[in-house]
Amino acid sequence: QKEVEQDPGPLSVPEGAIVSLNCTYSNSAFQYFMWYRQYSRKGPELLMYTYSSGNKEDGRFTAQVDKSSKYISLFIRDSQPSDSATYLCAMSSITGNQFYFGTGTSLTVIP
Amino acid sequence: GAVVSQHPSRVICKSGTSVKIECRSLDFQATTMFWYRQFPKQSLMLMATSNEGSKATYEQGVEKDKFLINHASLTLSTLTVTSAHPEDSSFYICSARLAGQLETQYFGPGTRLLVL
Repeated sequence: QKEVEQDPGPLSVPEGAIVSLNCTYSNSAFQYFMWYRQYSRKGPELLMYTYSSGNKEDGRFTAQVDKSSKYISLFIRDSQPSDSATYLCAMSSITGNQFYFGTGTSLTVIP
Repeated sequence: GAVVSQHPSRVICKSGTSVKIECRSLDFQATTMFWYRQFPKQSLMLMATSNEGSKATYEQGVEKDKFLINHASLTLSTLTVTSAHPEDSSFYICSARLAGQLETQYFGPGTRLLVL
């Protein structure tokens, strides 16, 4: 079983739609949860970063962590064509010694 | 803050030559840097972890004599692909971890290597 599971998509939505991206994991040691956005031929960019369970909002982006279900989500409201990218979830233990990425979900927002 | 640069952004070389890729943390000190490889439409594959002043730790299946990593200072790590072959063509990305913030990584823009 992989440490982190993420549906690779591709996901295609019309502009203005709400997008939901998800990851599941199996390791209870993960305490930090991150979402990265990667445009084609670029390095990943840290979007959201949360500790333990709960929600975090930043503009149109909301990250949710449910540690009891080992499930994390990223919601994008009012999606824009510029949001078209691959979104990778990542998780880390407190020490950072265990750090894993999901495989990434490819998102296309159609104008 | 937390900006990581890579140089070069793109390199084309002949088979058998060596290529050096630099990774720099521009506005912070990075005690640990990571080197990843990414094939088209695939996720990041961790190659090695480098700590300043010590030998890099390589992931299983990564040849340490082929991919030489040097982390000479708190702001610079280099990856040298020795005797490059066409199958080494890939997108190489480094990341850095801030001292005191062990749980996240900040990525460079990547280096695209094409070996002819």
